[in-house]
Amino acid sequence: NAGVTQTPKFQVLKTGQSMTLQCAQDMNHNSMYWYRQDPGMGLRLIYYSASEGTTDKGEVPNGYNVSRLNKREFSLRLESAAPSQTSVYFCASQENHGPYEQYFGPGTRLTVT
Amino acid sequence: GENVEQHPSTLSVQEGDSAVIKCTYSDSASNYFPWYKQELGKGPQLIIDIRSNVGEKKDQRIAVTLNKTAKHFSLHITETQPEDSAVYFCAASSGGSYIPTFGRGTSLIVHP
Repeated sequence: NAGVTQTPKFQVLKTGQSMTLQCAQDMNHNSMYWYRQDPGMGLRLIYYSASEGTTDKGEVPNGYNVSRLNKREFSLRLESAAPSQTSVYFCASQENHGPYEQYFGPGTRLTVT
Repeated sequence: GENVEQHPSTLSVQEGDSAVIKCTYSDSASNYFPWYKQELGKGPQLIIDIRSNVGEKKDQRIAVTLNKTAKHFSLHITETQPEDSAVYFCAASSGGSYIPTFGRGTSLIVHP
């Protein structure tokens, strides 16, 4: 099992460019999440999907969109990147019906200049 | 919504010492409290968790305690080793909404 995979690992964008971060899990989990991690701020939830076909906003959704393509894949899109979106992005998956552990991908380090 | 406070933000210890990281939460409905370890350049990984019907849980050198009345829980690492150096996150979630709220993290540095 690969667990949770993310692509790309690193990305540099110019202000105003767009890009999609990809995430896939092979654990047959219902829930998937996107977080951003900034120094001193911990993990902040951007969007989540409790099941295929549903998505909901988290704590910091502005400037992002998501797509739950199928049960395995959950993508995060930046339509017009801003320097404030420079961060490390983590995707995670979780089985709804306990024990609630989240499994994280290796992260994408994004720099917006 | 839930609010999780974590202290300290940085903890420096000598190899062999014990380390304690503390968290408080605000929502009395929270019933699941995981701890994650994040090594440099990697995603967080669960190391231990505790549920609200248990006061303490141990796994080798790691233990977690929970005080529901005071709404705080702590991670204890004994006989620290350099490979324990990492960022540790606490989190809290409730059965109704399984989405965790994370603390801001503690950077643990173990000096050889």
